[in-house]
Amino acid sequence: QQQVKQSPQSLIVQKGGIPIINCAYENTAFDYFPWYQQFPGKGPALLIAIRPDVSEKKEGRFTISFNKSAKQFSLHIMDSQPGDSATYFCAARVTSGSRLTFGEGTQLTVNP
Amino acid sequence: NAGVTQTPKFQVLKTGQSMTLQCAQDMNHNSMYWYRQDPGMGLRLIYYSASEGTTDKGEVPNGYNVSRLNKREFSLRLESAAPSQTSVYFCASRRGERYGYTFGSGTRLTVV
Repeated sequence: QQQVKQSPQSLIVQKGGIPIINCAYENTAFDYFPWYQQFPGKGPALLIAIRPDVSEKKEGRFTISFNKSAKQFSLHIMDSQPGDSATYFCAARVTSGSRLTFGEGTQLTVNP
Repeated sequence: NAGVTQTPKFQVLKTGQSMTLQCAQDMNHNSMYWYRQDPGMGLRLIYYSASEGTTDKGEVPNGYNVSRLNKREFSLRLESAAPSQTSVYFCASRRGERYGYTFGSGTRLTVV
């Protein structure tokens, strides 16, 4: 049973566009929601993370929006660049626990 | 500053063969993890070690064993490889509850 559902599976945008990747979770005990970015041949790397006491967090061109009542969170990439082309994973964890549960991943392509 | 080092990077096994995937981290992290990545399924946790001397099963532990040799090293063993274990395997580590994961660059395993 996939506890974190991610969509879309793939996404193509033009340079400067704003790709949005969505995730939904089931476990209401989750209280830490990171996003990871993975380039081909590399391991995932932490991009940005949010806790449910805030509805939005920005770091540079990356923004997480969080809707606790809907149990959904999303990643927005402002002014996307070809260098942002990668696979993005959302994830969730109970702070007191040790395990991250990942979504299925979204392959993002930003065309020049 | 090496971070998380995985060996080997690539491996081809015949069905029924055994092998051990090695992982070492030089960041003095307490927790270590083994994930497998398959297309469309995200990253699934195989085993983890919350601290030196402890190991626990994740979502997909069948067919695998682990050893937390010391604080630095966490190995994953396939006793009798099966084609269903063809995957990319990632090791990760984490300093503590409020920190993200650091991933290695992965081992691409093919079982024929």
